[in-house]
Amino acid sequence: NAGVTQTPKFRVLKTGQSMTLLCAQDMNHEYMYWYRQDPGMGLRLIHYSVGEGTTAKGEVPDGYNVSRLKKQNFLLGLESAAPSQTSVYFCASSRMGYRELFFGEGSRLTVL
Amino acid sequence: DQQVKQNSPSLSVQEGRISILNCDYTNSMFDYFLWYKKYPAEGPTFLISISSIKDKNEDGRFTVFLNKSAKHLSLHIVPSQPGDSAVYFCAATTYGGATNKLIFGTGTLLAVQP
Repeated sequence: NAGVTQTPKFRVLKTGQSMTLLCAQDMNHEYMYWYRQDPGMGLRLIHYSVGEGTTAKGEVPDGYNVSRLKKQNFLLGLESAAPSQTSVYFCASSRMGYRELFFGEGSRLTVL
Repeated sequence: DQQVKQNSPSLSVQEGRISILNCDYTNSMFDYFLWYKKYPAEGPTFLISISSIKDKNEDGRFTVFLNKSAKHLSLHIVPSQPGDSAVYFCAATTYGGATNKLIFGTGTLLAVQP
């Protein structure tokens, strides 16, 4: 049982490049989330999804897009990366009706 | 505006002593609170939680206290062990709609000295 898996684990981008982070969960959870962690800022919610085909904005959505075409996958896209998007990104999932989130191991992104 | 605040960036305690980590919140609509633990290069893992209808929840060495009037919660670890050294995040959520969004604090780095 892998839980929540994120790929890639590390990535270096140049300003203006695009990329996609993939999150996959094998727990059949309805809800999925993308957070970013920055020093002194804690974990901030970027986007979330309450089901296949649905997405919604979190606290810091600007510069990101997401898609949930399959229940088990949640993709986070950066269309034109900026140095301010250098961060560690965490995907999480949860069961409907339960408060606990299960997190992946994180993806460290550096934008030069 | 930071709705969940952890004002102590770091805390150092001796092995065997009590660790007390504090968290304050501003949104009176929060009705459920969680503590997560995070080791370097790993994702946060759930530690303990408390509903707003309670003022205490205990799980082994970990106890969370909630003071709703003060909008304050704390995590007590007794006795502290070196393996408890990690970053601890406080999180809060409201029950409403179809989502389960957690609002996190900035974290407290706990160092337990052998």
